[in-house]
Amino acid sequence: GENVEQHPSTLSVQEGDSAVIKCTYSDSASNYFPWYKQELGKGPQLIIDIRSNVGEKKDQRIAVTLNKTAKHFSLHITETQPEDSAVYFCAAGDYKLSFGAGTTVTVRA
Amino acid sequence: GAVVSQHPSRVICKSGTSVKIECRSLDFQATTMFWYRQFPKQSLMLMATSNEGSKATYEQGVEKDKFLINHASLTLSTLTVTSAHPEDSSFYICSASSSTSPYEQYFGPGTRLTVT
Repeated sequence: GENVEQHPSTLSVQEGDSAVIKCTYSDSASNYFPWYKQELGKGPQLIIDIRSNVGEKKDQRIAVTLNKTAKHFSLHITETQPEDSAVYFCAAGDYKLSFGAGTTVTVRA
Repeated sequence: GAVVSQHPSRVICKSGTSVKIECRSLDFQATTMFWYRQFPKQSLMLMATSNEGSKATYEQGVEKDKFLINHASLTLSTLTVTSAHPEDSSFYICSASSSTSPYEQYFGPGTRLTVT
């Protein structure tokens, strides 16, 4: 089955700086790579996703890049704000997803 | 759009009893629903996948007789934890996808189950 590794496990950044989270996956058949934001006590919220026929996708301050050859994808958050503080999960698969272990992001004001 | 609700948000039950959790897609038809379990500070672990009108497919290691899943309509799936024990205490989260966007999973807010 699919195995997704996510790094770092924790990330602390100064407000206004950028945050980068990286994930690798094992199954070359995976073709859908979403990122979720989870706040304490809540369900995950889809923030951006990318499919295997696209190398990069951007939505305002959030961008995701995908390298299918190397089997890795990354989340980039620019101009971080305190409300970006949360746990972020990457996932890989197709209609069924495998999740990374999560990254706790803290944005210091 | 793409709103998924869960009920209840929190439930406390005694060991040996059963508890049912509902998952509803409010503004779309959910051809597939997924049930996940999340322990504190851990990732989401898929328990089972259910398609409307058919039996759920359980992940390896998940007891199908303990975690009963029903997906009777395109907007409702239920998870029943039978004969609950303290080790079943966890955060249970459902997600749903539609036939028009089969890859995109939209998650519910989760249900915190505590078994005493």
